Amino acid sequence: AQSVTQLDSQVPVFEEAPVELRCNYSSSVSVYLFWYVQYPNQGLQLLLKYLSGSTLVKGINGFEAEFNKSQTSFHLRKPSVHISDTAEYFCAVSETSGGSYIPTFGRGTSLIVHP
Amino acid sequence: DTAVSQTPKYLVTQMGNDKSIKCEQNLGHDTMYWYKQDSKKFLKIMFSYNNKELIINETVPNRFSPKSPDKAHLNLHINSLELGDSAVYFCASRSTVSEYGYTFGSGTRLTVV
Repeated sequence: AQSVTQLDSQVPVFEEAPVELRCNYSSSVSVYLFWYVQYPNQGLQLLLKYLSGSTLVKGINGFEAEFNKSQTSFHLRKPSVHISDTAEYFCAVSETSGGSYIPTFGRGTSLIVHP
Repeated sequence: DTAVSQTPKYLVTQMGNDKSIKCEQNLGHDTMYWYKQDSKKFLKIMFSYNNKELIINETVPNRFSPKSPDKAHLNLHINSLELGDSAVYFCASRSTVSEYGYTFGSGTRLTVV
């Protein structure tokens, strides 16, 4: 079975500052990893995903994440945030074998960008 | 031209009623899902369905049932609604062939009074 831990429930940051949202996972097999963003009163939107290959993954809106197998982490980063980045961010993991690929989501990190 | 559309967006109903939430996707995806998001934003998978297999999260009460008239639709029926069913319900779809990320609908906020 897989699990996801998002270490911070809330991350406040000032506009134009860098940010890192942390995600650790647990699985006995190889995994696919995802970050989703949820803006208020909206559904989840895929930011980026790691399936294989380069461990540094670039996504939309200037976000990137790095897969670290030894530390079982997939932290999300952005060098300079905007007010519009204020949202809930979800890390998700799904196992590469088993067929269903149903991801498990973390509990979310609320990113709050202050002017 | 919305990719995954859910209706209604808001649903307020009394305890004991039966209600349905509709979901349609125009992406040609082969698998659809229902998720429940509680007041603390936790997302829980309820059902996964393609034309071959329905996977049910065993913790979901049997008052909840998915109905799929065709590959583009997966509706959620809820019988005998309870207060604890109040949540936001998200439909999602995915292609198991080409990529592994979901496309989500914008959600249905269900309030049971």
